[in-house]
Amino acid sequence: DAKTTQPNSMESNEEEPVHLPCNHSTISGTDYIHWYRQLPSQGPEYVIHGLTSNVNNRMASLAIAEDRKSSTLILHRATLRDAAVYYCILRDVPRSGNTPLVFGKGTRLSVIA
Amino acid sequence: DTGVSQDPRHKITKRGQNVTFRCDPISEHNRLYWYRQTLGQGPEFLTYFQNEAQLEKSRLLSDRFSAERPKGSFSTLEIQRTEQGDSAMYLCASSPLRTVTQYFGPGTRLTVL
Repeated sequence: DAKTTQPNSMESNEEEPVHLPCNHSTISGTDYIHWYRQLPSQGPEYVIHGLTSNVNNRMASLAIAEDRKSSTLILHRATLRDAAVYYCILRDVPRSGNTPLVFGKGTRLSVIA
Repeated sequence: DTGVSQDPRHKITKRGQNVTFRCDPISEHNRLYWYRQTLGQGPEFLTYFQNEAQLEKSRLLSDRFSAERPKGSFSTLEIQRTEQGDSAMYLCASSPLRTVTQYFGPGTRLTVL
């Protein structure tokens, strides 16, 4: 799986939007972009994933650059419960299926009340 | 609660002792994964099963580690002759065969004194 680069940490005020960036310049045509997050003292949880088009779900939105070399996870209104480590992961799903996830260090998001 | 469960949640042991962890996946999930996470790092893949078959083992899984999933339901991870370097959070995840999302348990935190 291709490598991703994320900032080590970010800070946001409560109830403001948060844009978490991820660079993946070596992404291949069949790599899906996945985001997981890990709340304190818990296992990771799935947030969202996409291939080319922007994606929305109840948790977040995923904006994918036209060249697919970067993407942004958007939390529309950060709450204190969104404080977590956010991981951006590439997976070649068509070729590899549901194989193990390869985590980097992620971005630690702090939310200030 | 129908999520992934792990037991125990915490384990403290002395160096040289054997420990065993259990993971109960979500019912009817074919795939089960074990990961290890040390402080400040993302989870690292150890091994995974499809039903009762162990499909892949990471190089991180030394000879002292063994995992089983005898009936394709729960799984156990055993560490023999524990070392201080084995201190970590051990995470279990499960997924259905044809979806990309993995569902994680809360983890077992191992401390080797």
